[in-house]
Amino acid sequence: DAGVIQSPRHEVTEMGQEVTLRCKPISGHNSLFWYRQTMMRGLELLIYFNNNVPIDDSGMPEDRFSAKMPNASFSTLKIQPSEPRDSAVYFCASSLEVSGEAFFGQGTRLTVV
Amino acid sequence: GEDVEQSLFLSVREGDSSVINCTYTDSSSTYLYWYKQEPGAGLQLLTYIFSNMDMKQDQRLTVLLNKKDKHLSLRIADTQTGDSAIYFCAGPQGGKLIFGQGTELSVKP
Repeated sequence: DAGVIQSPRHEVTEMGQEVTLRCKPISGHNSLFWYRQTMMRGLELLIYFNNNVPIDDSGMPEDRFSAKMPNASFSTLKIQPSEPRDSAVYFCASSLEVSGEAFFGQGTRLTVV
Repeated sequence: GEDVEQSLFLSVREGDSSVINCTYTDSSSTYLYWYKQEPGAGLQLLTYIFSNMDMKQDQRLTVLLNKKDKHLSLRIADTQTGDSAIYFCAGPQGGKLIFGQGTELSVKP
């Protein structure tokens, strides 16, 4: 398996623009997680899905952030409108079960200018 | 407070042992994990320990678990410059996997 695949690897956008991050989990995994990593706040869990259903989105910082998982092999994290403080590395991870070993993608480095 | 806590930085000399510590709150954790993040990369599982174990050794890595104090540690023997990275402990909390803030290990030659 190719592992968790995220795209794009890098994204630079202007403040106010919409940003969409994409994730393909490992086939057969039924849990998917979105994390954000910054120097100031470390690794934060934004939202996670189990069997394509959002279970806990309490980590989503604002209404500008939304995440979807239309099927077992694809998820998106959208920021609209983006702001400079959203600049971070966003990781997607998947696991066989919610509290099991998580496999991480390479991350998307987002820069909002 | 945080559910999983780690110290933020550790600096050692090449060849010395490194000990990275972690405390957690969820006593029902079945597995506890150590992940490694190298610069510009995602997190990768380094090792794990089942909650009914006190110690697990894997080559240069030793994991110690003190369930009474809810304390987990990772010891790296003969630390090399290639071990420089951020190390995260993680454990189940409220049904999901929660990560500590990460400990940045710096190895000086």
